[in-house]
Amino acid sequence: KQEVTQIPAALSVPEGENLVLNCSFTDSAIYNLQWFRQDPGKGLTSLLLIQSSQREQTSGRLNASLDKSSGRSTLYIAASQPGDSATYLCAVKVIDTDKLIFGTGTRLQVFP
Amino acid sequence: DGGITQSPKYLFRKEGQNVTLSCEQNLNHDAMYWYRQDPGQGLRLIYYSQIVNDFQKGDIAEGYSVSREKKESFPLTVTSAQKNPTAFYLCASSVQGRANYGYTFGSGTRLTVV
Repeated sequence: KQEVTQIPAALSVPEGENLVLNCSFTDSAIYNLQWFRQDPGKGLTSLLLIQSSQREQTSGRLNASLDKSSGRSTLYIAASQPGDSATYLCAVKVIDTDKLIFGTGTRLQVFP
Repeated sequence: DGGITQSPKYLFRKEGQNVTLSCEQNLNHDAMYWYRQDPGQGLRLIYYSQIVNDFQKGDIAEGYSVSREKKESFPLTVTSAQKNPTAFYLCASSVQGRANYGYTFGSGTRLTVV
């Protein structure tokens, strides 16, 4: 059974720091891995999608990497801003069932 | 613009009452999903549908029911058998079997038992 773990569960940093959020999964039979952002009381916004054949994806200050063989992904946030404060979720799309299995998230606070 | 619309945004249920949450998408996606989110926990899959007129139970289907009569619509009914329905409910859709397609989520419905 696929399990997804995110470390750390919470993170508080001053503005301007570069951050790394970690995601690990137990089964490499995935189509892709997706990083989402969730603001309090809101739905999920997709940040980056990495296909299983890819190693990384970049969007602005965000860079996500994928090492499928070791079951790991990282989300790198450069020059963090208070507006980056949110919960970040990673999820893997499982082959055959197309189910998306989520980690429990990292709650990020960036203070001025 | 294409997307997923969930309604209502807030819903209050009395004890013993059934309520239905709406989810509509105009993305032409084959698959649709319902997730439940509780504070401090990740998203848990309730039901999913990969094709019209077919759906499968997820990890926590007890006390819920769904239908998929149209490709665009996947309503979720929270029945009186669901003993702890207060949660945030999220609907999603995706293209099946494609690595280059992720999930798109709606903005959610917050259900509260009164």
